[in-house]
Amino acid sequence: EPEVTQTPSHQVTQMGQEVILRCVPISNHLYFYWYRQILGQKVEFLVSFYNNEISEKSEIFDDQFSVERPDGSNFTLKIRSTKLEDSAMYFCAGPSASGELFFGEGSRLTVL
Amino acid sequence: KNEVEQSPQNLTAQEGEFITINCSYSVGISALHWLQQHPGGGIVSLFMLSSGKKKHGRLIATINIQEKHSSLHITASHPRDSAVYICAARGPISNFGNEKLTFGTGTRLTIIP
Repeated sequence: EPEVTQTPSHQVTQMGQEVILRCVPISNHLYFYWYRQILGQKVEFLVSFYNNEISEKSEIFDDQFSVERPDGSNFTLKIRSTKLEDSAMYFCAGPSASGELFFGEGSRLTVL
Repeated sequence: KNEVEQSPQNLTAQEGEFITINCSYSVGISALHWLQQHPGGGIVSLFMLSSGKKKHGRLIATINIQEKHSSLHITASHPRDSAVYICAARGPISNFGNEKLTFGTGTRLTIIP
């Protein structure tokens, strides 16, 4: 039973288009994280979301990125105008009460 | 900024061999995670540890806080253990407990029958 569900599993988009990736935690995680992994590279931190606001973001997380919690349970990562280099696997993750992290299955984004 | 180094990058072994993957980090952390990533890309958490040693089945994880070093061991390795194993350090330590993870580059393990 997954603790975290991500949609879509794979999205193909044209450069310049907006993309929204969604994440649903099973339990009520206070913290939430978005990470990305470009093919063949290591996983990189994008942004952490704590108590309904951004608590930390990396230099990758520029003005083209935004993160929201629109309805109190879902988390979304929006990329306003996608670039070729945004092609990657995007993971969301949330911690359990013990601190163990649960990752979603990932959303593979392909920008053409 | 935390630097996380893993070794080896690739490891091929025969079924039954004892496997060790090493991880070192550069700053104080609140916890060290060992993760497993399969070819489909999904990431599964194996261990989270902040001191000592943890065991789950054939997997053992240890951490030495003073030396900023952790190891993942697999006993009696099996082809189904073939995957990428990633260590990720949680920190630097903050008062809010929401430290981000800094990931190592991963170790690609292949177990040959």
